[in-house]
Amino acid sequence: LAKTTQPISMDSYEGQEVNITCSHNNIATNDYITWYQQFPSQGPRFIIQGYKTKVTNEVASLFIPADRKSSTLSLPRVSLSDTAVYYCLVGSTGGGNKLTFGTGTQLKVEL
Amino acid sequence: GAGVSQSPSNKVTEKGKDVELRCDPISGHTALYWYRQRLGQGLEFLIYFQGNSAPDKSGLPSDRFSAERTGESVSTLTIQRTQQEDSAVYLCASSTRDRKNSPLHFGNGTRLTVT
Repeated sequence: LAKTTQPISMDSYEGQEVNITCSHNNIATNDYITWYQQFPSQGPRFIIQGYKTKVTNEVASLFIPADRKSSTLSLPRVSLSDTAVYYCLVGSTGGGNKLTFGTGTQLKVEL
Repeated sequence: GAGVSQSPSNKVTEKGKDVELRCDPISGHTALYWYRQRLGQGLEFLIYFQGNSAPDKSGLPSDRFSAERTGESVSTLTIQRTQQEDSAVYLCASSTRDRKNSPLHFGNGTRLTVT
């Protein structure tokens, strides 16, 4: 199972771009990289997912280098409401694998 | 559509009592996961169900913990003889098996407090 490493916390200000990097050196060929966001008293919710190169949706971008040993979640122009814990998850659900989350990154956005 | 539903949302119990937590996954989701999240901590894997296959119980912390799921429907997590260290939020997630990268859909959890 791929182990992930993320910074424990990050601080930012409203309007800035935030990049959170996750290391996953032993990622397997079938593994996808998925990021989740968790607010207090809620379950994590899906933000974005990728396999390689770059993926962009309405809330974030995900950059994955060719070796896939890391990934970077990019949040453009953050606001106070983006204050949350962000988890990087590496694995594959289709094959029925156990999925283990890392410790996550607490992002705090201030005015 | 309806998301993953967990009940109760909060449960306070006395040390030594048994508790049962319920998870209703999204209809059609064959995979179901239970996680434990202690205050200020990450998600700790407990158990995984996939269809009618034998569950992966490798994350259950002790024999006081057990879980059941009938087919692809409701799951219950039971904790016997609760201890104070069992206090945590218990999260359930489900996913489909139609593609390898199906994301997890989480409920909002059951907050368990053992006094």
